[in-house]
This record gives sequence, structure tokens and C-alpha cells, in this order.
Amino acid sequence: ETGVTQSPTHLIKTRGQQVTLRCSSQSGHNTVSWYQQALGQGPQFIFQYYREEENGRGNFPPRFSGLQFPNYSSELNVNALELDDSALYLCASSLDNSEKLFFGSGTQLSVL
Amino acid sequence: RKEVEQDPGPFNVPEGATVAFNCTYSNSASQSFFWYRQDCRKEPKLLMSVYSSGNEDGRFTAQLNRASQYISLLIRDSKLSDSATYLCVVKQAGTALIFGKGTTLSVSS
Repeated sequence: ETGVTQSPTHLIKTRGQQVTLRCSSQSGHNTVSWYQQALGQGPQFIFQYYREEENGRGNFPPRFSGLQFPNYSSELNVNALELDDSALYLCASSLDNSEKLFFGSGTQLSVL
Repeated sequence: RKEVEQDPGPFNVPEGATVAFNCTYSNSASQSFFWYRQDCRKEPKLLMSVYSSGNEDGRFTAQLNRASQYISLLIRDSKLSDSATYLCVVKQAGTALIFGKGTTLSVSS
């Protein structure tokens, strides 16, 4: 177990809806990264938060947004859901932007 | 051209076989290299880091060739429990991890 927890584990939404995914980082970790993994693909970097500030973003549109709280837990929000947003969303925590990431077990999002 | 390319497989091998996975990366500024293992629709887990000098962890050996921008993973004496997807990962300074699509391994008895 990595100590990184994500909720919910599974979620079904319809096109156009909004969704919020949550992540609790491992104790002591101040950096959270979010990845999207479509079926048959590797994880794709969405963004990273360090000490409550976004400090890196991948090639995702603005309808993907996030937040990190003072306790370093994090949220990923996706607005105006599209069918292609169906994927496994992975959260990973680390200490001080370390390259050693600890992944949560993910949220499987299905958009119908 | 994708930043990290892997042969997706699947590789189907019998128990006890030796299997090798290859990976190439496009950005010569890449500084850190890893192999992750991912079981079906679960989270990726770090298998090992990869160093230019090559490194070994039990039955697993990883090699890096910076001149060719090529990374390899060798698994000796395959076990049923080695069945998984193996993800090649690279990182440049100040950036996030960049994952390949993964190579699927199936070990059969």
C-alpha cells in the first residue's frame, strides 16, 4: 500500500456533466500529480500541484482544473465531460517534486 | 513521433523463459529513466530505476544507452506472477514523468 487514497473508485457520468475526483496524498508528501490513462495507453500527465500551487501542466484543455488544499490533499475537476474523458484517473504523491512517485489505485471514470 | 515508444506486444512466454523489452525516447535532454509495472487496471508501481552503468535487481536487469536513446528491461526465469504491463518512463529536469504505452507480458505454465 502506498498510502495514497483516491475516491471514488468508479464513477459513471453523462456527456456535459461535471465531475470532481479526490486524492489524499501519503503522509508528509507535499506534491500531487494527476494522470489520465485511457484504455491501452500509458498514463498522460494532466498537472501537478506543489504546496497548493500548480507548477506544471500537460496538454489538457482548461476544462481540466485542480486544487490542492493546505493538508496537501487534492481535487481534479473536469467540466463539460466528453466521451473521450472516459479513463482511469491516477493521482500520485511525492515529496518536494521528487521523481519517486507513489500512485493511488485510481478512479475509473466512464462517460456515456 | 511519440516521446517514449515501446513495442506493445503482447509477449507470450512460458515459465522459465527469458524475455527482453525495448524502449526508445526522443528527447535527448531526458535525465531519469524508469521501468514501472502495472497490473490490469491497477496503479503503476515502480519496478526499477535505470542507470547508464546498467543495474540488476534479482531476475530483472535494466540497461540505458544514452547515445542511442534506448532503454531495455530483461527478465530472466519468468514467473507466472510476472504477467503484467511494463511501462517505460523518462523524465527531463523540472518536468513530469512521461510514460510509454506499455508492453504486455503474459507468462504461461
